[in-house]
Amino acid sequence: EVQLVQSGAEVIEPGESLKISCQVSGYSFNNYWIAWVRQMPGKGLEWMGAIYPRDSDTKYSPSFQGQVIISADKSINTAYLQWNTLQASDTAMYYCARHGPGLDSWGQGTLVTVSS
Amino acid sequence: EIVMTQSPATLSVSPGERATLSCRASKSVSSSLAWYQQKPGQAPRLLISGASTRATGIPARFSGSGSGTEFTLTVSSLQSEDFAVYYCQQYNNWPWTFGQGTKVEIK
Repeated sequence: EVQLVQSGAEVIEPGESLKISCQVSGYSFNNYWIAWVRQMPGKGLEWMGAIYPRDSDTKYSPSFQGQVIISADKSINTAYLQWNTLQASDTAMYYCARHGPGLDSWGQGTLVTVSS
Repeated sequence: EIVMTQSPATLSVSPGERATLSCRASKSVSSSLAWYQQKPGQAPRLLISGASTRATGIPARFSGSGSGTEFTLTVSSLQSEDFAVYYCQQYNNWPWTFGQGTKVEIK
């Protein structure tokens, strides 16, 4: 069974850094793109970027390029999304998903709240 | 960046009726088009990929059609569990992009 398990909810102060994770199981991690998707409160889905773990090829939406870093650790079948400096406007639910084609398996989401 | 435009924003339908949702791409995405369903408090679920291929476990009342720039998701007879928000997404060109969503509500 394909599973994507994301790290838990975070409450972070503005200006801090954060790295959230997405650990996969049930398939070959190397062979599928993993995408990250943002959903702000009450809003739609936004594609942030994706990584191909086999060679770490990474693509970003222009809206998120330079704002986040997507990475992967093949040794532990885990993808990451990180910020160096969070702002209140980064408050959202973040999902990872496997592209199989189409995003056919999703993590449960990580709620990130940026607040002082 | 390819812009995906969904219409209508909200669709009011009675249970048992047919629902037709549209998605338009600003340039051709061939058949690299997916549809998702999202219910409150849940992660999205893939319904259709390749514009017309139902994902595993998706009921036959969901069907997708189209290619190039015009796509349609049809729910032949809406069930109570189908009232949700639906998104289209293209994966033909980087960056992949989503439409803004269509909310299907009970009439």
